[in-house]
Amino acid sequence: DVKVTQSSRYLVKRTGEKVFLECVQDMDHENMFWYRQDPGLGLRLIYFSYDVKMKEKGDIPEGYSVSREKKERFSLILESASTNQTSMYLCASSFLAGGPYEQYFGPGTRLTVT
Amino acid sequence: DAKTTQPNSMESNEEEPVHLPCNHSTISGTDYIHWYRQLPSQGPEYVIHGLTSNVNNRMASLAIAEDRKSSTLILHRATLRDAAVYYCILGLGGATNKLIFGTGTLLAVQP
Repeated sequence: DVKVTQSSRYLVKRTGEKVFLECVQDMDHENMFWYRQDPGLGLRLIYFSYDVKMKEKGDIPEGYSVSREKKERFSLILESASTNQTSMYLCASSFLAGGPYEQYFGPGTRLTVT
Repeated sequence: DAKTTQPNSMESNEEEPVHLPCNHSTISGTDYIHWYRQLPSQGPEYVIHGLTSNVNNRMASLAIAEDRKSSTLILHRATLRDAAVYYCILGLGGATNKLIFGTGTLLAVQP
């Protein structure tokens, strides 16, 4: 079974803190994605990566950065958390070449910034 | 980016077929049509995808209009487990597999 795991299901942080959300996949997928999900807005793509050390901005990258040092791990970083970054964060992964391929999602991290 | 339009919500009875519509009038020739669903408190999961021809798998069928401006996801016999938000997504042509999610259709299944 493909597994995409996220470091926490629930996280509470204070405004201004640096926040790291970790995602690990075990299927040797090239692509990895970070989304946020808010009521009424659906899922919105923050960043994606198609290879180690490569990253591409999605639709809402402002206030976020990412890191991909190893193929299986993709981190989302909130340099200085703000209350408007309170959201559900979802990580996904997929194969790259010769697709399209389905994306496999993790269970999500519900982040609250107070 | 090409957009999709879906009803906000639909209701079905258990063990009856469900037809979930999706309009995508600005679809381009290389865009695939993907369907994902999201069960409560879970991440989305893949359902089916297609390009031009109708597609079947163990979960559902996808019927694509001849002009590709609309499609319908068909669940042949709805179960209570099928209650979820269903997303119709256009996968942009190219190798990155980037998907643009909309707000989806909330399907309620009544026993």
